[in-house]
Amino acid sequence: AQSVTQPDIHITVSEGASLELRCNYSYGATPYLFWYVQSPGQGLQLLLKYFSGDTLVQGIKGFEAEFKRSQSSFNLRKPSVHWSDAAEYFCAVGAGGTSYGKLTFGQGTILTVHP
Amino acid sequence: GAVVSQHPSRVICKSGTSVKIECRSLDFQATTMFWYRQFPKQSLMLMATSNEGSKATYEQGVEKDKFLINHASLTLSTLTVTSAHPEDSSFYICSAKTNRGYNQPQHFGDGTRLSIL
Repeated sequence: AQSVTQPDIHITVSEGASLELRCNYSYGATPYLFWYVQSPGQGLQLLLKYFSGDTLVQGIKGFEAEFKRSQSSFNLRKPSVHWSDAAEYFCAVGAGGTSYGKLTFGQGTILTVHP
Repeated sequence: GAVVSQHPSRVICKSGTSVKIECRSLDFQATTMFWYRQFPKQSLMLMATSNEGSKATYEQGVEKDKFLINHASLTLSTLTVTSAHPEDSSFYICSAKTNRGYNQPQHFGDGTRLSIL
């Protein structure tokens, strides 16, 4: 069965500092990996996705993520955090191709940004 | 980008009421729609998957007679919580994707906060 682990429940950084959110996955085939962001009381917005090709993926809002198959990881990074990045971040894994695309989500990481 | 509209955003109603939540894909044909439930400070739990014109596939432990899902068109799916009780209070989120082309991601609605008194 597929699973996703986000080891950090809550991370606090200062505005302007760099950020890395960790994600480890377990999946029996080639994984299709996502990072979503959720603001309080709202749905999820897709930041970036990876299926194949370049293991460093660029997303929206200045985020990037690196797929490391040997470590089963897909960590999210941002070089300089803005106060508006405060939100909850979810990593997810699923099937690619044209399958129905059922996703498994991690527990989420809450990001707090200090001025 | 792809837009999914979910309505209503918030519902407060009495115990025993049935509540319908709509999920619409506004600018693409949603071959598949998903319904999630999210408890406070927790991740999303998939409740069911629906393909247009087919019966929904429910996850283990989700009562199909309690949570009725209809996906009658390529742009609309509905979740009806029948005879809702306080324990059904939660944040419900839908997502939609197209199966046309490879590796299409899910696009999420803004969620519905359901409060049963």
